[in-house]
Amino acid sequence: AQSVAQPEDQVNVAEGNPLTVKCTYSVSGNPYLFWYVQYPNRGLQFLLKYITGDNLVKGSYGFEAEFNKSQTSFHLKKPSALVSDSALYFCAVSVRTGTYKYIFGTGTRLKVLA
Amino acid sequence: GAGVSQTPSNKVTEKGKYVELRCDPISGHTALYWYRQSLGQGPEFLIYFQGTGAADDSGLPNDRFFAVRPEGSVSTLKIQRTERGDSAVYLCASSLGGIYNEQFFGPGTRLTVL
Repeated sequence: AQSVAQPEDQVNVAEGNPLTVKCTYSVSGNPYLFWYVQYPNRGLQFLLKYITGDNLVKGSYGFEAEFNKSQTSFHLKKPSALVSDSALYFCAVSVRTGTYKYIFGTGTRLKVLA
Repeated sequence: GAGVSQTPSNKVTEKGKYVELRCDPISGHTALYWYRQSLGQGPEFLIYFQGTGAADDSGLPNDRFFAVRPEGSVSTLKIQRTERGDSAVYLCASSLGGIYNEQFFGPGTRLTVL
């Protein structure tokens, strides 16, 4: 079965420290990978995506993610966390294998501590 | 510019009733998606429109759920004979088309079935 896993329900990090939010996937076919963020009382917002090419992609608000095909991972990173980064983060995979599949992970709550 | 809008923002109904949820996508976006999000879960794919036609409706849980997009813009998700298990936030998103494009999400409609 096609799936996306975010193994951590919550990640706590001190302001100014680097952060990583993990995502692994299991799909057949070539995946397109996305990260979205959800702030309280606001809709999901796109952060970045990997389609093809350079494995390191850069997105909004200083976030970046690295596609690792051998480990089937797409971890979200930021060199220096801000309190305002505190939110719910979702990894998503898009793939077409006969039918179209757009699969979200269960989300990771990031809490940046001042 | 205007983002994706959804109406109503909240809908409370009784078990067995019929409901319609509306989505107004970003102008020019050919692709439109419906998702269902339960508490503590990631969005669950329901249906994907490319233009007026449903390109993939494999996520609709059963035949009580139906969605239309007659003019390739506004879409309506219709749920017949609602059940308490249908209670969730229903999200709509639109994109420029193609499963490799990022999606822009609306604020959602919170459906409560009593």
